[in-house]
Amino acid sequence: AQSVAQPEDQVNVAEGNPLTVKCTYSVSGNPYLFWYVQYPNRGLQFLLKYITGDNLVKGSYGFEAEFNKSQTSFHLKKPSALVSDSALYFCAVRDINTNAGKSTFGDGTTLTVKP
Amino acid sequence: DAGITQSPRHKVTETGTPVTLRCHQTENHRYMYWYRQDPGHGLRLIHYSYGVKDTDKGEVSDGYSVSRSKTEDFLLTLESATSSQTSVYFCAISESSVLGYNEQFFGPGTRLTVL
Repeated sequence: AQSVAQPEDQVNVAEGNPLTVKCTYSVSGNPYLFWYVQYPNRGLQFLLKYITGDNLVKGSYGFEAEFNKSQTSFHLKKPSALVSDSALYFCAVRDINTNAGKSTFGDGTTLTVKP
Repeated sequence: DAGITQSPRHKVTETGTPVTLRCHQTENHRYMYWYRQDPGHGLRLIHYSYGVKDTDKGEVSDGYSVSRSKTEDFLLTLESATSSQTSVYFCAISESSVLGYNEQFFGPGTRLTVL
């Protein structure tokens, strides 16, 4: 079985400050991990993914995420937040032993960046 | 943006009526998915397809059926709509991969209201 948790429903940061959106996962094997962003009234957009290799993954719009196997976490980070980063963020996981069709998404974290 | 369209974009229907949502892609991707998005539940997989006429159930498939007669089209049918199926429905696609680590691309969504 696979599962993912986003422990914070809401994250508030000031523009220019660093931001972190948390994600923890559970899989029986090794994970593929993904972050997506959703702007109001839009579909999800892919930000970045971890497959294997370097634990620090860089993605679109200056976002990065760090894979931590011992803590089973994949937190999304950005050094300096922008107001335009305000959106709903989803973490997703797929166990590499799971059928390729089945990813599990977290419930989402709403990020609000205030000027 | 990936070439994914969904129709209709908005629909209001009555309990007990059949409803069909259409997803159309121009990317020739092998995998297609239907999700529903509800507050507090994130994205939940309804059904997915891994090729023409090849489909499988997701975690919330009861009350839904799907068909894929062409690579580019994936239909989601609610045989007899219920109020609990009021939701926003997203179609997604991804390329085929032996290892299954490809990200998904999402359509704009269909907002369905069942009265």
